[in-house]
Amino acid sequence: TQLLEQSPQFLSIQEGENLTVYCNSSSVFSSLQWYRQEPGEGPVLLVTVVTGGEVKKLKRLTFQFGDARKDSSLHITAAQPGDTGLYLCAGEGTGRRALTFGSGTRLQVQP
Amino acid sequence: NAGVMQNPRHLVRRRGQEARLRCSPMKGHSHVYWYRQLPEEGLKFMVYLQKENIIDESGMPKERFSAEFPKEGPSILRIQQVVRGDSAAYFCATRGGLESPLHFGNGTRLTVT
Repeated sequence: TQLLEQSPQFLSIQEGENLTVYCNSSSVFSSLQWYRQEPGEGPVLLVTVVTGGEVKKLKRLTFQFGDARKDSSLHITAAQPGDTGLYLCAGEGTGRRALTFGSGTRLQVQP
Repeated sequence: NAGVMQNPRHLVRRRGQEARLRCSPMKGHSHVYWYRQLPEEGLKFMVYLQKENIIDESGMPKERFSAEFPKEGPSILRIQQVVRGDSAAYFCATRGGLESPLHFGNGTRLTVT
């Protein structure tokens, strides 16, 4: 069974602070995706990383895929209240063809 | 340009009743995935279907749960004889091919009283 552990589970910070969310596994994934989910809605894809060591930037968000393709991180610079939400990482295994989701990190950014 | 449509958005059932959850994929999408989410938790995979075929049902409880994706019409997740522990948000996600990104619906929130 492929498991993904996210940390921290909860994070409450002030506007303007930086933060990093981690997603770790003992399994290798062919790709790893990050989603954000708002209350009452489905997850929305932010980014997909495929290559070990890959770094992708989306405005103030920086995503990194570990060299061994077992872990990933999401770094947010100068967080804003609009960044508030549940952040989920999800890994796609080589054979299973279905995403395995982490337990999520709930971020609250106070104005 | 309709996204993934799930209905109903909210469903209340008494213990022992049946729940039927519907998912209409985005146009051109033939791969459907069902996930369950408990409050403050991530999504747990249940079943993966591709037009008329169940590809992977390893996350589906062995009893009371079934899924289908007929040639015509939406995918259906059916829960028979619901129990309180079935209360959760059920999400459907679809994509056009295995290399394409997943698109999620807004879920059906099932409450069993």
